[in-house]
Amino acid sequence: GENVEQHPSTLSVQEGDSAVIKCTYSDSASNYFPWYKQELGKGPQLIIDIRSNVGEKKDQRIAVTLNKTAKHFSLHITETQPEDSAVYFCAASIGQAGTALIFGKGTTLSVSS
Amino acid sequence: GAVVSQHPSWVICKSGTSVKIECRSLDFQATTMFWYRQFPKQSLMLMATSNEGSKATYEQGVEKDKFLINHASLTLSTLTVTSAHPEDSSFYICSANVARDVSKNIQYFGAGTRLSVL
Repeated sequence: GENVEQHPSTLSVQEGDSAVIKCTYSDSASNYFPWYKQELGKGPQLIIDIRSNVGEKKDQRIAVTLNKTAKHFSLHITETQPEDSAVYFCAASIGQAGTALIFGKGTTLSVSS
Repeated sequence: GAVVSQHPSWVICKSGTSVKIECRSLDFQATTMFWYRQFPKQSLMLMATSNEGSKATYEQGVEKDKFLINHASLTLSTLTVTSAHPEDSSFYICSANVARDVSKNIQYFGAGTRLSVL
């Protein structure tokens, strides 16, 4: 089955710096890769996703890149702000409704002002 | 759009009692709903996949008689923790797929339910 590795487990940056979180996956059949942000005591919130037919997707300060050959994808946050502090999870799945998302272990991002 | 409501947000119960958690898709119909369990500072662990009108599919190691799932409509799934014990204390989260686009696996999550069993 699919296995998703996520690094680093913790990341501390200064406000305004960039943050990068990396994930690798094992199943070459996976073609949908979402990223979720989870604040303390809340459910995960979808922040961006990418499908295997594209290599990069951007939404304001957030971008995701995908290297399908190497089976890794990354989340890039630019101009970080204190409100970006949260736990970020990557996930992978076959991109068809009804199939499970396999999550990485999460990255705790701390942005200090 | 794509709001998933989960209730209650926090429940405390005595050992041996049963607790029901509701997951509703408020502004869309959900083909599939998923139930996850999350321990402190850990990732989400899939417990079961629930399709409207059919029996849930449980992940290996998850007791189906202990975690009863009912998916009676395209907007509601419930998880009942039967005869709860302290080791069942955890954060339970549901998610839902959007029915109108079965080619995509976008999942929207509820806010979670914190269960504390005394």
